[in-house]
Amino acid sequence: DVKVTQSSRYLVKRTGEKVFLECVQDMDHENMFWYRQDPGLGLRLIYFSYDVKMKEKGDIPEGYSVSREKKERFSLILESASTNQTSMYLCASSLPSLNEKLFFGSGTQLSVL
Amino acid sequence: DAKTTQPNSMESNEEEPVHLPCNHSTISGTDYIHWYRQLPSQGPEYVIHGLTSNVNNRMASLAIAEDRKSSTLILHRATLRDAAVYYCILPTQFQGAQKLVFGQGTRLTINP
Repeated sequence: DVKVTQSSRYLVKRTGEKVFLECVQDMDHENMFWYRQDPGLGLRLIYFSYDVKMKEKGDIPEGYSVSREKKERFSLILESASTNQTSMYLCASSLPSLNEKLFFGSGTQLSVL
Repeated sequence: DAKTTQPNSMESNEEEPVHLPCNHSTISGTDYIHWYRQLPSQGPEYVIHGLTSNVNNRMASLAIAEDRKSSTLILHRATLRDAAVYYCILPTQFQGAQKLVFGQGTRLTINP
């Protein structure tokens, strides 16, 4: 079975901490994505990457950065966590064509106190 | 980006067919229609996609109107495990990758 694995299911951090959310896929996919999901706002795209060391901003990149040093791994970094970054974070991957399906991980519920 | 409109919620009974509608009146000629669903406490999962003609797979069927301004996801025989939020999406090309914009979707409740 194809798999997108997010390192933590639940995470609790303090305001101002640097937070790393890790995502690994085993499908040799070129594209990887980070979304956040909030009640009433749906899923919103934060960043995506279409190749190693390549990244593009999504709709809400402020307060986040990403790293893709290897094809299978895409990290989301909160440089200085704030309470408004409390959310469910979802990682996805896909092949590069427009109509390839996205495969999602199970999500990381991050609470920033 | 072309927009989709779905009902906020729907309810059906177990073992009955479910028809989930989606309106996309501003769809362009090359836009595919994708459906994803999100089960409780999980990430979204792909269900089906199509361009013009009706499509079937093991999970569902997709019926696309002749003018392509609407489509219907059909679950032929709903089970309790089909209770989820269903999203109708028109992916767009964005800087070398496909961009999926998830709206609020339709929350499907299945009654035993």
